[in-house]
Amino acid sequence: EAGVAQSPRYKIIEKRQSVAFWCNPISGHATLYWYQQILGQGPKLLIQFQNNGVVDDSQLPKDRFSAERLKGVDSTLKIQPAKLEDSAVYLCASTRDTSYEQYFGPGTRLTVT
Amino acid sequence: GENVEQHPSTLSVQEGDSAVIKCTYSDSASNYFPWYKQELGKRPQLIIDIRSNVGEKKDQRIAVTLNKTAKHFSLHITETQPEDSAVYFCAATTNAGKSTFGDGTTLTVKP
Repeated sequence: EAGVAQSPRYKIIEKRQSVAFWCNPISGHATLYWYQQILGQGPKLLIQFQNNGVVDDSQLPKDRFSAERLKGVDSTLKIQPAKLEDSAVYLCASTRDTSYEQYFGPGTRLTVT
Repeated sequence: GENVEQHPSTLSVQEGDSAVIKCTYSDSASNYFPWYKQELGKRPQLIIDIRSNVGEKKDQRIAVTLNKTAKHFSLHITETQPEDSAVYFCAATTNAGKSTFGDGTTLTVKP
């Protein structure tokens, strides 16, 4: 089966600009996660979707971050406006309904200057 | 919320030696504990996992143990090889599927 796809792989923006990331999970995987991984740290959950509904967004900085999964398949994560501390790798992961095992995408490395 | 602490942050061993990484968690509702290996610039890859109704699981050179009462779990790698060098992350997952990760252990295996 094809893996989790993410784009772009790399993005460099200036602070206060906007940026969007895209994720396409493995076909049939109902649950989709967005994580932020700052250099030297473990992935931190930003938002968890079950189909097109939000399960958990308690750690999403909602004043600047937003995410959607309108048709319950692919998802976008947006940052507007970006801050220097948003520089990180943004990882998308997905799971089947019957499993906890998460499959990660290759990530998007964001640099905010 | 859940808090996962991982130790040590760095670990250096000689090829052939064993390596042990330990994690503690705080939320008794966590019931699934995966371990991921992440090589530089790559995505995390699941290497082994354990559920809360099991005390130990082994897969070739890798084993995981879980002590639910003490809320800690450990990764054991025996007969380490240079290709085991990577960052290892533990995680604690609730039945809602929410995972909290440790901050990682950088393992270096010296030839």
